[in-house]
Amino acid sequence: DGGITQSPKYLFRKEGQNVTLSCEQNLNHDAMYWYRQDPGQGLRLIYYSQIVNDFQKGDIAEGYSVSREKKESFPLTVTSAQKNPTAFYLCASAGGAETQYFGPGTRLLVL
Amino acid sequence: QKEVEQDPGPLSVPEGAIVSLNCTYSNSAFQYFMWYRQYSRKGPELLMYTYSSGNKEDGRFTAQVDKSSKYISLFIRDSQPSDSATYLCAINLPGNNDMRFGAGTRLTVKP
Repeated sequence: DGGITQSPKYLFRKEGQNVTLSCEQNLNHDAMYWYRQDPGQGLRLIYYSQIVNDFQKGDIAEGYSVSREKKESFPLTVTSAQKNPTAFYLCASAGGAETQYFGPGTRLLVL
Repeated sequence: QKEVEQDPGPLSVPEGAIVSLNCTYSNSAFQYFMWYRQYSRKGPELLMYTYSSGNKEDGRFTAQVDKSSKYISLFIRDSQPSDSATYLCAINLPGNNDMRFGAGTRLTVKP
């Protein structure tokens, strides 16, 4: 089955710790995106990548980092510099049309 | 002014009712319009996608776009309890790198 997978479903971060969220797609899409969703707010773009080995900052990139070494994978690292990381993180991909398809999400909680 | 305004609700209707969900946007440069459905603790699922003014129908769902008024709507006919979810509107520019989301409307359809 084609789709987008995210892991883990839940992630706990201790203060000062970096954590990495996984996103994989087998849709052969070129573009991939990371969003953050907070209650009562729309999705906010963290980073996006249109091709391998290239990525761009979105609206709220501070405290986050990404890599795009393979077309299928776009991991997101939440660094210790992100002071309010508790949120629902969504990965998306797009294959040419001006729309995006989402994964199931990762909920990040701070211990 | 936010780029996309969406009434967060919550909206509660009886089973079988017609539901109307709406968004307004401020920038006439946006040309692509989407509606996503998001169940609790899940990723958004694409429901409707359109790039022109007018109506687009898919089963019980109708998406309506009025570019002159910068107003988009989603109508759900014969609503079912399984339609209970948060509905997100989204708008996008050509190139798919600037998608903007409404905050989402939480809908409950009561049996």
